[in-house]
Amino acid sequence: GESVGLHLPTLSVQEGDNSIINCAYSNSASDYFIWYKQESGKGPQFIIDIRSNMDKRQGQRVTVLLNKTVKHLSLQIAATQPGDSAVYFCAEITYNQGGKLIFGQGTELSVKP
Amino acid sequence: DTEVTQTPKHLVMGMTNKKSLKCEQHMGHRAMYWYKQKAKKPPELMFVYSYEKLSINESVPSRFSPECPNSSLLNLHLHALQPEDSALYLCASSQEGGVLGSPLHFGNGTRLTVT
Repeated sequence: GESVGLHLPTLSVQEGDNSIINCAYSNSASDYFIWYKQESGKGPQFIIDIRSNMDKRQGQRVTVLLNKTVKHLSLQIAATQPGDSAVYFCAEITYNQGGKLIFGQGTELSVKP
Repeated sequence: DTEVTQTPKHLVMGMTNKKSLKCEQHMGHRAMYWYKQKAKKPPELMFVYSYEKLSINESVPSRFSPECPNSSLLNLHLHALQPEDSALYLCASSQEGGVLGSPLHFGNGTRLTVT
C-alpha cells in the first residue's frame, strides 16, 4: 500500500508466520537495492542487498526478490519473531545520478505473539 | 551497537542558538552522509562527503553547515534553525561513495528539538 500523511502502511502477522513486505521503486535505471530495518529510537540497520543483475538473494531467514519488469522489490521474512517488529524501508541507488541512496516510504511490521 | 557513533543523542536548542552534531566511524569508510528523518517518514538525504570533499548538497538551507575534518569525523553545524527543523538527524558511512555493492551503515541519530 501507499502511505498517506503520517500513516505508514502496516503489516500485522502472527509469530511464526512468514512475512512479505513489498516495495515499488521509481527509477528503472536503479542499479542497487537495499532493505533496512529501523527499530524505535534507532537508526536504519542493513538487512540485505541485491544488485540489478540479480532477481533473488537469500540471507539468514530473509529473501529479497527483484522484478525489474514491474519495478517491484519484496522482502520475505521466514518464521517471523517479535524481534522483527520494526519499520522496514527499501532503498535504491542509481549510479548515473551520483550514487545517492534514496529511501522508499516504509512499512511497519507488527508481530503478534 | 552501531559502528557509527553520533553525539549528542538528544539536543534541544533555541532558534538563536548555535550547536553542532558530531559523527564518528572507525571502519575506514571514505564516504559519509547526513540524512534528516521526520516522524513516520523515510530518511531524506542532505549531504554526501566522499574522500573528505563535499560531493552532494541536496539544496539544504545554509543554516545547516556540514564539515568533514578527516575521514573518520563528520560534523553538522546548526545556526538560526526553525521549529520545523526538529527531526532525527542520521549520520551514515560507506566504503566509498557511489560504488556498486557498498551499503550505508547508519548511526542511531541525534533527536533535535528546536524551540
